[in-house]
Amino acid sequence: DIQMTQSPSSLSASVGDRVTITCRTSQSISNYLSWYQQKPGKAPKLLIYAASTLQSGVPSRFSGSGSGTDFTLTISSLQPEDFATYYCQQSSSTPLTFGGGTKVEIK
Amino acid sequence: EVQLVESGGVLKQPGGSLRLSCAASGFTVSSHSMSWVRQAPGKGLEWVSLIYSGGRTSYADSVKGRFTISRDNSKNTLFLQMNSLRAEDTAVYYCARSPKGIATVDLYFDYWGQGTLVTVSS
Repeated sequence: DIQMTQSPSSLSASVGDRVTITCRTSQSISNYLSWYQQKPGKAPKLLIYAASTLQSGVPSRFSGSGSGTDFTLTISSLQPEDFATYYCQQSSSTPLTFGGGTKVEIK
Repeated sequence: EVQLVESGGVLKQPGGSLRLSCAASGFTVSSHSMSWVRQAPGKGLEWVSLIYSGGRTSYADSVKGRFTISRDNSKNTLFLQMNSLRAEDTAVYYCARSPKGIATVDLYFDYWGQGTLVTVSS
């Protein structure tokens, strides 16, 4: 199974800050990496797929990069609605696996 | 408009059985890969099972042999039959759609249901 390691597990940031979340996989997955945002009591929402492709309707302040084993999600200017938990997910092979999540909180 | 609506979550005793349903609208379930993903209280996301558009299925080791994924094309509905339930199966269960149907590499999730809570406790 491919293990997913997200860091940090939580962070505090202010509105307007640039935020970077990292996801590392236990083996190379090419670019088969997606990012999701989840708010309390709600279903996850797809932000980015294929490591860097923005899902339709997602604001351009979100971006993704990386390939192989190291990936990043960047929020260029954090907005109030961005405070949430973020997950990465690999689709290189089954079992599909998720990172442990990164909770972005208000400083 | 694509919609996924889960139902069937209840309180069950360990060892019991339960069937979850996910009614889809706005697209054809059999044309996409469909998955169940769960989230234990206060925990992260865990993929449970998937059915490819061609009908092949796959399961997480934690549920293999106990859970069965299926679909009813006439009702455009996805199911998860859950047998031999354990306390560690307690979670919100989401059904999720992948945008394509065939390749594993396309198995990310563009639409999710609202989730249904399964509690396993005596």
